[in-house]
Amino acid sequence: AQSVSQHNHHVILSEAASLELGCNYSYGGTVNLFWYVQYPGQHLQLLLKYFSGDPLVKGIKGFEAEFIKSKFSFNLRKPSVQWSDTAEYFCAVNAARGYQKVTFGIGTKLQVIP
Amino acid sequence: DVKVTQSSRYLVKRTGEKVFLECVQDMDHENMFWYRQDPGLGLRLIYFSYDVKMKEKGDIPEGYSVSREKKERFSLILESASTNQTSMYLCASSRSTGSAFFGQGTRLTVV
Repeated sequence: AQSVSQHNHHVILSEAASLELGCNYSYGGTVNLFWYVQYPGQHLQLLLKYFSGDPLVKGIKGFEAEFIKSKFSFNLRKPSVQWSDTAEYFCAVNAARGYQKVTFGIGTKLQVIP
Repeated sequence: DVKVTQSSRYLVKRTGEKVFLECVQDMDHENMFWYRQDPGLGLRLIYFSYDVKMKEKGDIPEGYSVSREKKERFSLILESASTNQTSMYLCASSRSTGSAFFGQGTRLTVV
């Protein structure tokens, strides 16, 4: 069975600070990896995804994530956060083959202080 | 744009009632999912479907059932609602090799 672990549950940063949110997954086979974001009062939307190829993926709004297979990790980064990045961030995984069950982590609430 | 539409934003039901949550997607996606979202627990998969009339249990299927009679529609059924099923319910759809698109959610309160 697949699982996802997000290490930081609540992060508070000042504007312009750098961000790194940790995500580790557990699964024995090839995976697809995702980061989703949920802004206050809005629905979940895709931030970025990794299916194959370059392990450094770039998403919307200046976010990027790096897939490190040996560490089973897919950490999310942004060099300089803005107040508008205040949101909840979810890491997710599914098996690259077979049924496409998507498993989510418990989420990280990011609060950016102006 | 992919659209996943859930029939209600807010719902209040009484304990013991049978509750139907409806979800429709307009992009011909094969996969559809029902999650519940609770503070501190993230999103937990209740059921998913990879084709019409096909369904698979997720991580927390107890107390729920689903129906997928048409490709675009995936219904979640609470046979006898209980207060511990008060939650935000999220529907999502995806292609077999794609990322999931979410609806706006239904906040269900069982009193």
